[in-house]
Amino acid sequence: DQQVKQNSPSLSVQEGRISILNCDYTNSMFDYFLWYKKYPAEGPTFLISISSIKDKNEDGRFTVFLNKSAKHLSLHIVPSQPGDSAVYFCAASVSSGSARQLTFGSGTQLTVLP
Amino acid sequence: GAVVSQHPSRVICKSGTSVKIECRSLDFQATTMFWYRQFPKQSLMLMATSNEGSKATYEQGVEKDKFLINHASLTLSTLTVTSAHPEDSSFYICSARPLMEVYNEQFFGPGTRLTVL
Repeated sequence: DQQVKQNSPSLSVQEGRISILNCDYTNSMFDYFLWYKKYPAEGPTFLISISSIKDKNEDGRFTVFLNKSAKHLSLHIVPSQPGDSAVYFCAASVSSGSARQLTFGSGTQLTVLP
Repeated sequence: GAVVSQHPSRVICKSGTSVKIECRSLDFQATTMFWYRQFPKQSLMLMATSNEGSKATYEQGVEKDKFLINHASLTLSTLTVTSAHPEDSSFYICSARPLMEVYNEQFFGPGTRLTVL
């Protein structure tokens, strides 16, 4: 049972346009959400996070939106750059959990075309 | 800041041998480190949670006698794949959560590519 789902395995966007990556979750106990970027044969790099007390968090070109009622979050990248091409994973966590483990989605391969 | 290293970056071994992978937090202390495994084009699957000074907590389906985890200090955790078989070939990634981290960010190492012949 996948608790965190990224239904789009891939996304192609033209340079300069907006990239929107989506993520859905089923566990209502999740209260902290993160996005990671990963290149092949490397570990994931933390991008941005959001607590469930917020519905939006912005950091430069990256904005994460959280819709708790829909159990949905999205990552917006604008403007998209060729260097943004990578696999993007969303992850979710329960803050009150002792280990605060992350549950990852399956990832979305973003390709930004020059 | 928040750099995590892994060693080795890739290893090729014969079936039946044991392989040790080290995970170090270079500029912060971490009471909790995590070990993940990633198959090609799949997500990161949590294998175990490693706590400094105590036994690791393994996820369902992960053999603790096969994947030995030692978290000897606040900056070092090791994963030993014992009696490796070709099906253990995978990309192993560790992560660490800083000691004073209020939220749940984990910082990941660069990963270790294990190939068992």
